Amino acid sequence: GEDVEQSLFLSVREGDSSVINCTYTDSSSTYLYWYKQEPGAGLQLLTYIFSNMDMKQDQRLTVLLNKKDKHLSLRIADTQTGDSAIYFCAESMNSGNTPLVFGKGTRLSVIA
Amino acid sequence: GAGVSQSPSNKVTEKGKDVELRCDPISGHTALYWYRQSLGQGLEFLIYFQGNSAPDKSGLPSDRFSAERTGGSVSTLTIQRTQQEDSAVYLCASSEDWTDGYTFGSGTRLTVV
Repeated sequence: GEDVEQSLFLSVREGDSSVINCTYTDSSSTYLYWYKQEPGAGLQLLTYIFSNMDMKQDQRLTVLLNKKDKHLSLRIADTQTGDSAIYFCAESMNSGNTPLVFGKGTRLSVIA
Repeated sequence: GAGVSQSPSNKVTEKGKDVELRCDPISGHTALYWYRQSLGQGLEFLIYFQGNSAPDKSGLPSDRFSAERTGGSVSTLTIQRTQQEDSAVYLCASSEDWTDGYTFGSGTRLTVV
């Protein structure tokens, strides 16, 4: 079955890099996503990566995908206090006709 | 509209009452999803509508839960005879193309007392 696992908490100092990790079980995943949820808000799409890519960079965000190990990571460079939020990893299947499967989310705390 | 709109933003109800939660997706988005977010449980898929196809109801936790989508736009999630374990944030999302990811609403926080 589908399962997405994330560590629940991460604490970093302002200015440092944050690395949030995710593992998934379904090798047929086609797209993998990172969402951010701020308090009292819905989820906001940050970035996504197609399964035939190893890396994607978007400003301070770098996504790394190790398809062999089914491991996805999100690196945030120069972490700011505004990056404090819950980050969700999600996977989608080949056809897209099945809903995204989300991890439980990693709560990132940035210490000033 | 500019985004996915959900109402009400908060709902407190007594155990045993029925509730209706509304979602107004982005105009033109053919797919609409309902998820439930409970404390420490991540996002739990409930139901998915795609165009005129029959909805995927595989995530609904019991027959007390139902949803409809009228005219391919607005959706209503109904919970009958609410229980305390139904307390959660109910999130709605829509998408035009699944590869672009979903746009989420801000959710309805349901509290059953």
